Amino acid sequence: DAKTTQPTSMDCAEGRAANLPCNHSTISGNEYVYWYRQIHSQGPQYIIHGLKNNETNEMASLIITEDRKSSTLILPHATLRDTAVYYCIVRVKGTGTASKLTFGTGTRLQVTL
Amino acid sequence: DTGVSQDPRHKITKRGQNVTFRCDPISEHNRLYWYRQTLGQGPEFLTYFQNEAQLEKSRLLSDRFSAERPKGSFSTLEIQRTEQGDSAMYLCASSLYTDTQYFGPGTRLTVL
Repeated sequence: DAKTTQPTSMDCAEGRAANLPCNHSTISGNEYVYWYRQIHSQGPQYIIHGLKNNETNEMASLIITEDRKSSTLILPHATLRDTAVYYCIVRVKGTGTASKLTFGTGTRLQVTL
Repeated sequence: DTGVSQDPRHKITKRGQNVTFRCDPISEHNRLYWYRQTLGQGPEFLTYFQNEAQLEKSRLLSDRFSAERPKGSFSTLEIQRTEQGDSAMYLCASSLYTDTQYFGPGTRLTVL
């Protein structure tokens, strides 16, 4: 699976949009971009994933560049409960593969009042 | 709640003892994964099952570790002769084939 690069930490004011970048310049054509987050002492929580097109769900939006070498997770109105470590992961989804998740160290997002 | 559950949530044991953790996946999911997470690091893959078959094991899974999923439903992870280096959060995740993996709350192991 391709490696990803994320900033170590970011701050965001409550109510503002949080934009978390991720670089995955060696991504292959069959690899998806997944985002998970982990609130302290809990298991990782799935947020969103995408292949080429931008995606949106009730939690967040995922913007993938046209060349697929980077992406941005957007939390439109961050709250204190969004304080967590955010992981950007690229993985293959094909049959016959383990499709295991390879986590880096993620971005620690701190939402402040 | 029909998410992934793990038991126990916390386990404290003495070095040299054996411990066993249980994971109950989301009911229709045929794949089950085990990961380990040490302080300050992201989770690391240990092993996974498709139904009852264990299809891949990481090099992190030493001979003291064994995992089973006898009926293709719940899974157990046993660590024999625990060492202080085994102290970590053990996470279980499940998925339907290669679809999105959903994680349980984890079991935090402390080896004294």
